[in-house]
Amino acid sequence: EPEVTQTPSHQVTQMGQEVILRCVPISNHLYFYWYRQILGQKVEFLVSFYNNEISEKSEIFDDQFSVERPDGSNFTLKIRSTKLEDSAMYFCASSRGTFYEQYFGPGTRLTVT
Amino acid sequence: SQQGEEDPQALSIQEGENATMNCSYKTSINNLQWYRQNSGRGLVHLILIRSNEREKHSGRLRVTLDTSKKSSSLLITASRAADTASYFCATVYPNTDKLIFGTGTRLQVFP
Repeated sequence: EPEVTQTPSHQVTQMGQEVILRCVPISNHLYFYWYRQILGQKVEFLVSFYNNEISEKSEIFDDQFSVERPDGSNFTLKIRSTKLEDSAMYFCASSRGTFYEQYFGPGTRLTVT
Repeated sequence: SQQGEEDPQALSIQEGENATMNCSYKTSINNLQWYRQNSGRGLVHLILIRSNEREKHSGRLRVTLDTSKKSSSLLITASRAADTASYFCATVYPNTDKLIFGTGTRLQVFP
């Protein structure tokens, strides 16, 4: 069964460093998303992406964040200058259309020290 | 806030019993999705129910939706120890396709 994959599973970085989180969505899906979950808190929406552009973003998704689909299979989230409060589990999700099921990857645990 | 809220926050049952979790939301939705999360792991999609549907089944799972009460319930029948996890509802509103997650119900099934 097709699934969303994410790499790395755990990333430790120092404050101020740039990180890139990678995702491979399900191959025939067209809509891509990033969410994050700070330990003990709700899952929060960050951004949605369709047709090579951002379709919606949350207040969390400020200028330090960017997304890209560099080729036909990968979908990346870049944090330019990490802060301690960026420490969280980051989930990628994909869907075949709006208002359809969103399938999540296993997540990348980002720890900023 | 439009976010769904689940209750109970925690539920402990014995294997073989049924588990019911509830979710409430504030305004009209396009659909509502239920997810399971094992400790520290990813989110597994369980069921999507649309606003024009009242009930859906998948194996031992039954989801109902009452749009007049703005609530949904997830029933797990004949629970197993492997069902131990956190369960979340997530709503999708008509003008967006982002998921808005609730706080979750932690289910513990004892063998």
